[in-house]
Amino acid sequence: DTEVTQTPKHLVMGMTNKKSLKCEQHMGHRAMYWYKQKAKKPPELMFVYSYEKLSINESVPSRFSPECPNSSLLNLHLHALQPEDSALYLCASSPLSFPNTEAFFGQGTRLTVV
Amino acid sequence: AQTVTQSQPEMSVQEAETVTLSCTYDTSESDYYLFWYKQPPSRQMILVIRQEAYKQQNATENRFSVNFQKAAKSFSLKISDSQLGDAAMYFCAYRREGGATNKLIFGTGTLLAVQP
Repeated sequence: DTEVTQTPKHLVMGMTNKKSLKCEQHMGHRAMYWYKQKAKKPPELMFVYSYEKLSINESVPSRFSPECPNSSLLNLHLHALQPEDSALYLCASSPLSFPNTEAFFGQGTRLTVV
Repeated sequence: AQTVTQSQPEMSVQEAETVTLSCTYDTSESDYYLFWYKQPPSRQMILVIRQEAYKQQNATENRFSVNFQKAAKSFSLKISDSQLGDAAMYFCAYRREGGATNKLIFGTGTLLAVQP
């Protein structure tokens, strides 16, 4: 199994809603990532978890709250988002052991904030 | 800080022909990894090829090969016998040695069209 699975694939939410994005992998990877991608732009790193602990937060607003309940799951909780937060949210995972360093990406969640 | 530059926003190639996508990067590190990722309209980022900086030999994966010039900090991707399924956005990416939590730094991407 070399898949990273993200749900839902599409999400429309109002600015007062609370929603969550989910990411799952069963490759035994101990690093997991959230990226945000605007149209025709490269992905921008938001958060990195290493051994289920948050290791990098790229100064992301607090309306985005990540959670890593176990080594296979990564969530992104959303609250009081703005229309400019509409984007493709990509989850990725990678091994932490040399020499395998490439990240495997999910298909993303297309988020629209109305 | 490391940067990755892709100077070709869009490229076009005829089916069965060869195309080369350019990538340059800037780093003061000596050990690092370089990647080419493909993102088709299905949105998923797919690893095309990987190069370790300590390896002099250029990486090859079937129809995909790279020209890695470490001194020039250049990492171009050659696609041979282009197929319609190769049409996608291609991102060059850099990650320094020292752990997988070192973040991937992406270039701005090259949109490749394949003409039948």
